[in-house]
Amino acid sequence: EEQLVESGGGLVQPGESLRLSCAASGFPFSTYTMNWVRQTPGKGLEWVSYIGSSSTAIYYADSVKGRFTVSRDNAKNSLFLQMNSLGADDTAVYYCAREHRGSFGSFGLWGQGTQVTVFS
Amino acid sequence: QSVLTQPPSASGTPGQRVTISCSGSSSNVGSNNVDWYQQLPGTAPKLLIYRNNQRPSGVPDRFSGSKSGTSASLAISGLQSEDEADYYCAAWDDSLSGPVFGGGTKVTVL
Repeated sequence: EEQLVESGGGLVQPGESLRLSCAASGFPFSTYTMNWVRQTPGKGLEWVSYIGSSSTAIYYADSVKGRFTVSRDNAKNSLFLQMNSLGADDTAVYYCAREHRGSFGSFGLWGQGTQVTVFS
Repeated sequence: QSVLTQPPSASGTPGQRVTISCSGSSSNVGSNNVDWYQQLPGTAPKLLIYRNNQRPSGVPDRFSGSKSGTSASLAISGLQSEDEADYYCAAWDDSLSGPVFGGGTKVTVL
């Protein structure tokens, strides 16, 4: 079964850091581009970051550029999101999402999500 | 405020047809493909329609998508109780260089 499982979320104070992980299984992880998408009750779904299959192409939403860093370890079938200088606006459920084959920008497989809460 | 505009709610009785609209601009819906996602309560979004009108394997043909100009729509025919969910449209935005989403439409089966 194809599966994505996120971990690493939690409660942090403004300015602190957090590292999210996403473990992939059941499919050839190294051949897929991956993304992070977050969701809040107020702002809805927001794309956060994209990383190509070999990490040569990386993109970020303007809201996180310079603070978040996406990476992957194809040998360990894992995706990561290093989040620094967190603020209240970063509070959300963070999903890792696999691109739907042949449809750039479409997210064909999602994890269950991990909650990140930034509070003061 | 989401980049793509959807009605906040829609409803219908079992067996009815429900349509959800998604309005964008020339930089997103007008020039790129539209996807639709279904989010059942307490779960992650699921790809329902991609490239405007294509269904991933396993998605019933009761769900269909279309696009015209800067607007797109999702139709659910033969509405069933298990279709109660939030539905989101999405499209790549050339100005923002990333995918953008609609605010979501909550479908209620009466």
